[in-house]
Amino acid sequence: EAGVAQSPRYKIIEKRQSVAFWCNPISGHATLYWYQQILGQGPKLLIQFQNNGVVDDSQLPKDRFSAERLKGVDSTLKIQPAKLEDSAVYLCASSFRRPANTGELFFGEGSRLTVL
Amino acid sequence: TQLLEQSPQFLSIQEGENLTVYCNSSSVFSSLQWYRQEPGEGPVLLVTVVTGGEVKKLKRLTFQFGDARKDSSLHITAAQPGDTGLYLCAGGGNTDKLIFGTGTRLQVFP
Repeated sequence: EAGVAQSPRYKIIEKRQSVAFWCNPISGHATLYWYQQILGQGPKLLIQFQNNGVVDDSQLPKDRFSAERLKGVDSTLKIQPAKLEDSAVYLCASSFRRPANTGELFFGEGSRLTVL
Repeated sequence: TQLLEQSPQFLSIQEGENLTVYCNSSSVFSSLQWYRQEPGEGPVLLVTVVTGGEVKKLKRLTFQFGDARKDSSLHITAAQPGDTGLYLCAGGGNTDKLIFGTGTRLQVFP
């Protein structure tokens, strides 16, 4: 079974530029998550989708971050314009069971963003 | 806001030593998961506990959920270099959200 796919693995941009990350979850997983992980810290939930609807985006900085999940499968996370503090690993995860409190989250390898 | 504090933040030990990692919160969780993350990889689930007082064992790893479901611990017996990584607890509540802890970075030297 294929895992969660993310791209790109690495991205270096200047501040105020834009960047987009792509995620393809495990087939059949209805719930998709985007987490931000600062080096050495625990992941922070940015947005959670159930199929193509948003379940939680309370911690998404909506003035610069946006995310969509068209057709309830792939998802993209965009940052525009980027700030220095956005430097982090962006993890995508998916789960089969809902609610997530008993289901296992399967993570991709992450997209490491460096903002100069 | 639900927060999960882990301690210690860093742990550096020799192979064969025992260790315990703690995960504490003032909030009650309906379930608690532990993940391990290696450099350049995403976190991987180790265990899920759902009942207060529950103890689960995974080879040399023992996980316990507190009676009040506000805290959890991970005990590793005879640590091996392969145990090196970032250990994350994650709490699930009445919503679909999974809140991750602050993380404990473990380094086991041969």
